[in-house]
Amino acid sequence: GENVEQHPSTLSVQEGDSAVIKCTYSDSASNYFPWYKQELGKRPQLIIDIRSNVGEKKDQRIAVTLNKTAKHFSLHITETQPEDSAVYFCAASMSTGNQFYFGTGTSLTVIP
Amino acid sequence: GAVVSQHPSRVICKSGTSVKIECRSLDFQATTMFWYRQFPKQSLMLMATSNEGSKATYEQGVEKDKFLINHASLTLSTLTVTSAHPEDSSFYICSAYRAVNTEAFFGQGTRLTVV
Repeated sequence: GENVEQHPSTLSVQEGDSAVIKCTYSDSASNYFPWYKQELGKRPQLIIDIRSNVGEKKDQRIAVTLNKTAKHFSLHITETQPEDSAVYFCAASMSTGNQFYFGTGTSLTVIP
Repeated sequence: GAVVSQHPSRVICKSGTSVKIECRSLDFQATTMFWYRQFPKQSLMLMATSNEGSKATYEQGVEKDKFLINHASLTLSTLTVTSAHPEDSSFYICSAYRAVNTEAFFGQGTRLTVV
C-alpha cells in the first residue's frame, strides 16, 4: 500500500517568513495530493490540492509543488501570519478513491 | 466544499458499553468513507475504509469485531465501538470521498471518553 512521509514534524517560523513542508509517497499510481489544515479540536480542512498532471499550483500565499519522478510534493506558505499556526497534513490518493493516506503531520507555529 | 456531518461530537460512556458514531455526507453521494482515529497532537490513523454495500476493509492492527463499520447507504456510514474500554478513548473522525473531483471531506469528529 501507499506510504506517505512528512517532514518536519514541527516547524516554528517568525511572522512574515516562509514555511515549507515536504512529503514523499511510495506508490507511483497515486495521482491526487491534497493538503489539510487542522486547528486544535477541529476537523481537517482542505487548503490546496494538486493533481499529477501539473507541477505547481498557487492560491494567494499558499503554493504546492509536485515532482512525480522523485515522488515528492511540498507545501509553501509565504508571508506567514499567526493564524497560520496549525497542524498541516499531506495526503496521497488515487482517482479510484480506494486509498487515502495521510502524512504524519507538521505542527506549524508562527511567532508574532 | 461539500458537507460531511458526524454525530455525536462528544460522548462519554461507561466501560463495557457500545457507542455508535454516524457519518453523513449531506450534499453528495459517497461510495467510500474512511474512519480515522487521532490521538492528541498526532496524525490521523486510518482505521478502515468503508464501501457502500460491502464489508469494510480494516487496516492492520484494527480489530474488526471491536470497531464495527456499516455503510448501508451512499450517504451514511456508522462506526460502532463495542464493549468500550478506557483505552478506546480518542478522537474519531470520518471522511467521505467524492468521486467527481477525487476529494475527501471530513466530519467534525467525535470525542469519545470511556469511564
